[in-house]
Amino acid sequence: ELKVEQNPLFLSMQEGKNYTIYCNYSTTSDRLYWYRQDPGKSLESLFVLLSNGAVKQEGRLMASLDTKARLSTLHITAAVHDLSATYFCAVAYAGNMLTFGGGTRLMVKP
Amino acid sequence: EPEVTQTPSHQVTQMGQEVILRCVPISNHLYFYWYRQILGQKVEFLVSFYNNEISEKSEIFDDQFSVERPDGSNFTLKIRSTKLEDSAMYFCASSRARGETQYFGPGTRLLVL
Repeated sequence: ELKVEQNPLFLSMQEGKNYTIYCNYSTTSDRLYWYRQDPGKSLESLFVLLSNGAVKQEGRLMASLDTKARLSTLHITAAVHDLSATYFCAVAYAGNMLTFGGGTRLMVKP
Repeated sequence: EPEVTQTPSHQVTQMGQEVILRCVPISNHLYFYWYRQILGQKVEFLVSFYNNEISEKSEIFDDQFSVERPDGSNFTLKIRSTKLEDSAMYFCASSRARGETQYFGPGTRLLVL
């Protein structure tokens, strides 16, 4: 059974600071996704990472994938309040079924 | 920009009743999915659907659940006899091809009393 673990589960940070969210998974996979969810809203796709060493960046967010370590990171640079949300990683295993991590609730304070 | 739509946005039902949740996937997408998220918990996969048949399903997707694509645009999830523990947000998603990004709809919040 594929297990996906994120840490931290909750992150409170000041505007302007940098931080990293970690996503570990238990079984070899060929695809990893990052999603953002605002309270009461749906999931918005941020990144899809397909190969070892893949790195993608959009604005203040950068995601990377190390398939050998079974680890993905989502790095936040110079956080702003608008980034406050819950971030989920999701891993695809043996098909299209996505297994989600527990989410990291990010609060960026002024 | 095309998006996945879902109706209703909220549904309240009595335990034991049947509910049908509806989704309109993005028009050129071929793979369709249902996920659920119990309040405050992680998102859980229910089922994927391709070429008019179920391609994968989780342990959650038991005999009480069924999916259907009744026409060229709608994709439905039916829960035959709802239980209290079926209360959750149900998300529909679609993707253009296997392995491509799954785009999620806004969800249907189901409350079973």
